[in-house]
Amino acid sequence: DAGVIQSPRHEVTEMGQEVTLRCKPISGHNSLFWYRQTMMRGLELLIYFNNNVPIDDSGMPEDRFSAKMPNASFSTLKIQPSEPRDSAVYFCASSSDGTLKNEQFFGPGTRLTVL
Amino acid sequence: DQQVKQNSPSLSVQEGRISILNCDYTNSMFDYFLWYKKYPAEGPTFLISISSIKDKNEDGRFTVFLNKSAKHLSLHIVPSQPGDSAVYFCAANRRNNRKLIWGLGTSLAVNP
Repeated sequence: DAGVIQSPRHEVTEMGQEVTLRCKPISGHNSLFWYRQTMMRGLELLIYFNNNVPIDDSGMPEDRFSAKMPNASFSTLKIQPSEPRDSAVYFCASSSDGTLKNEQFFGPGTRLTVL
Repeated sequence: DQQVKQNSPSLSVQEGRISILNCDYTNSMFDYFLWYKKYPAEGPTFLISISSIKDKNEDGRFTVFLNKSAKHLSLHIVPSQPGDSAVYFCAANRRNNRKLIWGLGTSLAVNP
C-alpha cells in the first residue's frame, strides 16, 4: 500500500534557479496539502487542494511560489526564482473527506537547499 | 500569532516512566485535536486524536486528555520506550475545515 510519494528527496540548487517539487497523493484521497518545515516556524501550511481545486493558498509566501494539481494523482510546488531563505523541508500530505479523524498522511519530504 | 502552542521544546524521560507532552490553544472554535509523531528524515505520522465532545481518548500506551475550559490538552505515554523518541506535534482544526493548525513540536528523548 503506497503512501504519499514525493520527489526528489533532496534538492540542492543555486539562488535564482527554478525548483519543482512533486507529489503523488494516496490513491482515493481528495485533499492534498503542501507544508514547509523550518526550525523557526515549525510546520507551515502553504496551500491545500480539495478535488484538485486550490482552497486556501494564504500560506504561500509570495509570488515566487506556485502550486498546481492537474489531476487527482499529481501535484507540483514550484519556486521561481529560488532564494537561500527558501531552504527548508517541504512536505506533501493527503487526506480523504470520507474520514472523520481529519487525519493527514504525510510523504517523506523534500529537503531543499538553496545556495 | 501561534494559535497552538507547545511550550516545551524538549523533554527527557527514563524508559518505563510516563511521558507527558503538553499543548495549549487559543482559538475556542477548535473542535478537533490531533497528535503526530515525527522521526528524523521522515514525514509526521498520525498518533491519536480527540474530539471536543470528549475529554479523554486512549489507544494502547497513548492517552490524550482535553481540558476545554483551560484550552489545554496533553499526551501521556505509559510506559515510555526508547522507540518513542521523536518530535511530537499537536495540531487542531475546526469542524469541516481541513486546514490543521500546528504547534512547533516537542522533542522527546526516552533514555534506556
